[in-house]
Amino acid sequence: DQQVKQNSPSLSVQEGRISILNCDYTNSMFDYFLWYKKYPAEGPTFLISISSIKDKNEDGRFTVFLNKSAKHLSLHIVPSQPGDSAVYFCAASASGAGSYQLTFGKGTKLSVIP
Amino acid sequence: DVKVTQSSRYLVKRTGEKVFLECVQDMDHENMFWYRQDPGLGLRLIYFSYDVKMKEKGDIPEGYSVSREKKERFSLILESASTNQTSMYLCASIPTGSTDTQYFGPGTRLTVL
Repeated sequence: DQQVKQNSPSLSVQEGRISILNCDYTNSMFDYFLWYKKYPAEGPTFLISISSIKDKNEDGRFTVFLNKSAKHLSLHIVPSQPGDSAVYFCAASASGAGSYQLTFGKGTKLSVIP
Repeated sequence: DVKVTQSSRYLVKRTGEKVFLECVQDMDHENMFWYRQDPGLGLRLIYFSYDVKMKEKGDIPEGYSVSREKKERFSLILESASTNQTSMYLCASIPTGSTDTQYFGPGTRLTVL
């Protein structure tokens, strides 16, 4: 049973436009959510996170929105740049339960077209 | 900056060989993790460790074992490599009590022939 779902395997966006990557989760114990970015042949790098006590967190061009009632979060990238082309993983943890484990989605491959 | 290093970037082994993947972190983190990443499957947790000599099974431990003799080092062992263990292996670490992110190493691309 997949607890973190990224239903879009891929997304193509024109440079300068907004990229919206979506993530759904099923486990009500999850209280901390993260987005990682991964280039081929490299380890994932942390992008942005959000705690369940917030509904929005912004860092430069990246904003994460959390809708707890819908168990849905999204990552917005504005404006999108060619260097943003990568695989993006949504991850969740039940940190309040004392766990440091992350449960990852399957990833969305973003292609930003110049 | 936290540094997580993995012993090899690319590795080619034969079916039946014993394979050791090493991970070292330099920030005194208690918690360390081994994942494998496969296209269309995301990152799946193999094993993790909360402390020296402590290990817990993740979601897909079959065919793997681990060793944590020192705090900074977490080893993943494939006792008898098989072709379905061809994958990208990623190590990560995080300190206890942190609400921070897991830090990942660069990954080891293992091919089993």
